[in-house]
Amino acid sequence: DTGVSQDPRHKITKRGQNVTFRCDPISEHNRLYWYRQTLGQGPEFLTYFQNEAQLEKSRLLSDRFSAERPKGSFSTLEIQRTEQGDSAMYLCASRYHLGETQYFGPGTRLLVL
Amino acid sequence: DQQVKQNSPSLSVQEGRISILNCDYTNSMFDYFLWYKKYPAEGPTFLISISSIKDKNEDGRFTVFLNKSAKHLSLHIVPSQPGDSAVYFCAASARNTGNQFYFGTGTSLTVIP
Repeated sequence: DTGVSQDPRHKITKRGQNVTFRCDPISEHNRLYWYRQTLGQGPEFLTYFQNEAQLEKSRLLSDRFSAERPKGSFSTLEIQRTEQGDSAMYLCASRYHLGETQYFGPGTRLLVL
Repeated sequence: DQQVKQNSPSLSVQEGRISILNCDYTNSMFDYFLWYKKYPAEGPTFLISISSIKDKNEDGRFTVFLNKSAKHLSLHIVPSQPGDSAVYFCAASARNTGNQFYFGTGTSLTVIP
């Protein structure tokens, strides 16, 4: 399978706990995106990496959120001190630098109790 | 502010007939548009795209039309099949001003056998 993969697929946590999600993009895709999707909404942009550099961040990305892509391959998204409002589907997408299309992973569904 | 809008939350169509999904945008800088299909508990799957230099792009049963003056695009599916039942998102980007993709809120298509 050469698509975008995300781990875990589901996460249930208690309010106040920290969670970390992982995304493995399609190989050779140097661009990587994180989105959040809530019920009834489309994906909302969170942040963008080109190789290991985080080039764009949405104002949705509060200081409790941090994303990394240390070697320009996989990426992690960490949420500290989770709140119930963080419950959502977190989607990762990757894109080839010469292409226009983003390809999405299956997402990580987070439920904060 | 919602820069990409899908005003029809749902659409039902008989199998074999045409499905037309609509999308409007407000940002005149958008120059690349995509349609994604999403099944429950999965990430969005790329369907078809169109650049602003074109007004039509066709791929099998799927055709996307772009009306730049009206800031409107539509996705035509013909003939519609039960397997097309899913949520469809349109997305837009302004390639020269950033890497963000903006998504609509989605239209849930049901194709009735």
